[in-house]
Amino acid sequence: QKEVEQNSGPLSVPEGAIASLNCTYSDRGSQSFFWYRQYSGKSPELIMFIYSNGDKEDGRFTAQLNKASQYVSLLIRDSQPSDSATYLCAVPASGGSYIPTFGRGTSLIVHP
Amino acid sequence: NAGVTQTPKFQVLKTGQSMTLQCAQDMNHNSMYWYRQDPGMGLRLIYYSASEGTTDKGEVPNGYNVSRLNKREFSLRLESAAPSQTSVYFCASSDLVGDYNEQFFGPGTRLTVL
Repeated sequence: QKEVEQNSGPLSVPEGAIASLNCTYSDRGSQSFFWYRQYSGKSPELIMFIYSNGDKEDGRFTAQLNKASQYVSLLIRDSQPSDSATYLCAVPASGGSYIPTFGRGTSLIVHP
Repeated sequence: NAGVTQTPKFQVLKTGQSMTLQCAQDMNHNSMYWYRQDPGMGLRLIYYSASEGTTDKGEVPNGYNVSRLNKREFSLRLESAAPSQTSVYFCASSDLVGDYNEQFFGPGTRLTVL
């Protein structure tokens, strides 16, 4: 069973701060990594995808990948109360099926 | 485009009752999935269908059956509901491009089994 680990939180940050969310995974063959955001009572939606080692930036979001250490992180700069949600890390299986394993999610609270 | 739709949105069952959750997608995706989400447990895969005509078990298939009716529709059936099946059920679809497998989720069905 492939494992994806996230700290469940909640992670509480003040408005305007940087929120840092982390995810570790066990499948060394995984090549692509996804971050989904899920508002309370809603369904998950994709916010970031990263394939290569290093950083990928999209607006206020930056995904960081370190395959040697098997972790992927999500940084949210200038955090806003509207960023308050649960963030799910998803790691597709290697070997052909690419079925994603989801972490349990980290709850982020951005307080004014 | 509606994306992924699910019916019903809410359902309350008594132990032992049966029901079918319906899911449809209009994105012409080949793959469809059923997940359940429990507090603190993340999304767990129940069954998936990689393409029309195929279905496979996921992490937690016991107590469920599925039918891939056609390319658009993928239903989940609970034959004899148990309180342990109280959960939020999400249907998702995707099209695998290389190893890029973005999931598109429906709005969910909130099921309570008494």
